[in-house]
Amino acid sequence: EADIYQTPRYLVIGTGKKITLECSQTMGHDKMYWYQQDPGMELHLIHYSYGVNSTEKGDLSSESTVSRIRTEHFPLTLESARPSHTSQYLCASSDHGAAIYNSPLHFGNGTRLTVT
Amino acid sequence: DAKTTQPPSMDCAEGRAANLPCNHSTISGNEYVYWYRQIHSQGPQYIIHGLKNNETNEMASLIITEDRKSSTLILPHATLRDTAVYYCIVSPNAGGTSYGKLTFGQGTILTVHP
Repeated sequence: EADIYQTPRYLVIGTGKKITLECSQTMGHDKMYWYQQDPGMELHLIHYSYGVNSTEKGDLSSESTVSRIRTEHFPLTLESARPSHTSQYLCASSDHGAAIYNSPLHFGNGTRLTVT
Repeated sequence: DAKTTQPPSMDCAEGRAANLPCNHSTISGNEYVYWYRQIHSQGPQYIIHGLKNNETNEMASLIITEDRKSSTLILPHATLRDTAVYYCIVSPNAGGTSYGKLTFGQGTILTVHP
């Protein structure tokens, strides 16, 4: 079954390191999203993309950046990780087909990032 | 975008129906109601969505009031594995700048007990 994959599942890294969180989907979806979620808290949209070479900032300001060079791939990068970046990062995708106004989001299982 | 109001928590006995309410009194005519759930440490899972008619799938039923100001998600025979946070979300206006960006609130923590 087609799915959306995030790696790594868990990441513990020191302050100042550059990291890239990977997200790939095999469904051919045009739209992809990154959400950030602290434990027990709401999901906040930090980035989204409506297609190749399209990226936009979300509702919550984030120091991370994203790129969309291929339809199936939407990586998130932190140039210099800090303890304040400790959180769970969730990637999602949705279709941009005929029923564009009611296409549900498909989520990956997230990357739990801890910056020490 | 229309906001939603959900009770922070609910309990349900295993095998019984779980009825999760959601208020969305400011919903506009072309906004859909979505339900997702999030089981601990996993990504949210899509359950069902609807515009104005009641909907049913293999997971749940969605009942939307005639005035569309509220809805109820029904899990007909709750199991322990249905324990999760359930989110009721109204989609942003189609064609607007927020299109496709769903806003997740606090949701309802449903606990199914034996």
